[in-house]
Amino acid sequence: GENVEQHPSTLSVQEGDSAVIKCTYSDSASNYFPWYKQELGKRPQLIIDIRSNVGEKKDQRIAVTLNKTAKHFSLHITETQPEDSAVYFCAAVGSGAGSYQLTFGKGTKLSVIP
Amino acid sequence: NAGVMQNPRHLVRRRGQEARLRCSPMKGHSHVYWYRQLPEEGLKFMVYLQKENIIDESGMPKERFSAEFPKEGPSILRIQQVVRGDSAAYFCASSDRGLPYEQYFGPGTRLTVT
Repeated sequence: GENVEQHPSTLSVQEGDSAVIKCTYSDSASNYFPWYKQELGKRPQLIIDIRSNVGEKKDQRIAVTLNKTAKHFSLHITETQPEDSAVYFCAAVGSGAGSYQLTFGKGTKLSVIP
Repeated sequence: NAGVMQNPRHLVRRRGQEARLRCSPMKGHSHVYWYRQLPEEGLKFMVYLQKENIIDESGMPKERFSAEFPKEGPSILRIQQVVRGDSAAYFCASSDRGLPYEQYFGPGTRLTVT
């Protein structure tokens, strides 16, 4: 089945700096890669996603890049703000029998220091 | 336009009791997914259902756990004879088209087994 690795597990940045979180996946047929933000005690919220037919997608301060050859994708947050502090999860959809489920990384705890 | 609803939000059960977790998907969504999240960890897929059908239950333990999504009413995740290891946050997510399209999460049910 699909396996997703996420790095780093914790990340501290100064307010205004950029943050980058990286994920790798194992199933070369994976075709959908969402990112979720989860604040303490809250539900995961979809912040951006990308499909395998594009290499990059942007939404204001957030961008995701996908490298299908290397099987990795990254989340980029620019001009970070204290409210960006949360745990971020990447995920991927597998193929075949795994095409009905999202496999999540273990999360990155981002702290933005004012 | 209400989002995904889950109840109860918190549930305390003694070992050996039954736990019933309910999930009402967003209006118009017929695809429901259940996930389990242990403290400091990512989300693990359990089961995927459409109305009256279990599509993929490969992530759900074969014993003590069951799920349903009837024609009318919410989806139910049922855990019989709970043990301390079942203590976790259980999230459901819904979608209008299934993967590889967006899933939206509910607020979760935090189950504590004493």
